[in-house]
Amino acid sequence: QKEVEQNSGPLSVPEGAIASLNCTYSDRGSQSFFWYRQYSGKSPELIMFIYSNGDKEDGRFTAQLNKASQYVSLLIRDSQPSDSATYLCAVKEVSGGYNKLIFGAGTRLAVHP
Amino acid sequence: ETGVTQSPTHLIKTRGQQVTLRCSSQSGHNTVSWYQQALGQGPQFIFQYYREEENGRGNFPPRFSGLQFPNYSSELNVNALELDDSALYLCASGRDAYEQYFGPGTRLTVT
Repeated sequence: QKEVEQNSGPLSVPEGAIASLNCTYSDRGSQSFFWYRQYSGKSPELIMFIYSNGDKEDGRFTAQLNKASQYVSLLIRDSQPSDSATYLCAVKEVSGGYNKLIFGAGTRLAVHP
Repeated sequence: ETGVTQSPTHLIKTRGQQVTLRCSSQSGHNTVSWYQQALGQGPQFIFQYYREEENGRGNFPPRFSGLQFPNYSSELNVNALELDDSALYLCASGRDAYEQYFGPGTRLTVT
């Protein structure tokens, strides 16, 4: 059973700090990785995706991928209280002609003023 | 806004009943997937439709079934509802499943 692991948190950071969210995955053959943000009672919102080793930056968000270590992370710079949400890491599995996302249980982030 | 809509927003059903949830995708999105998200968990893949045919299924029993229509809409049907079916049901659509964008979800409560 392919798995995606995340610390459930809560991860508490002060406003303006860098929040670092981590995710590990079990399938060494995985190629595509996604970060979703989910506010309480809402559906997941795609923040970023990353396919290549290294860093990918988009505004205040940076995704980092290390396939050798089977590790993907999300950094949020200048954290704001509005960033308080659950962050879901997802890995795309390609199987038998279809794609599906395998999600971790999410890390709850709390940014306090 | 992802352009993906779902109805209804909330639903309460009794154990043993049947339910139909609906999703409308963006024009051009030929792939739709359905996920179940229990409280405190990540979404779990139910099945995927591509060009109106089911082309993949997760570990869900046959009482979970679906349809995809030519107008980019789809349905999730659940028969013989059980208490454990209470969850947020999410529809995700995309172009060839390259990226998947979620709708707002339907919160199903089974009593």
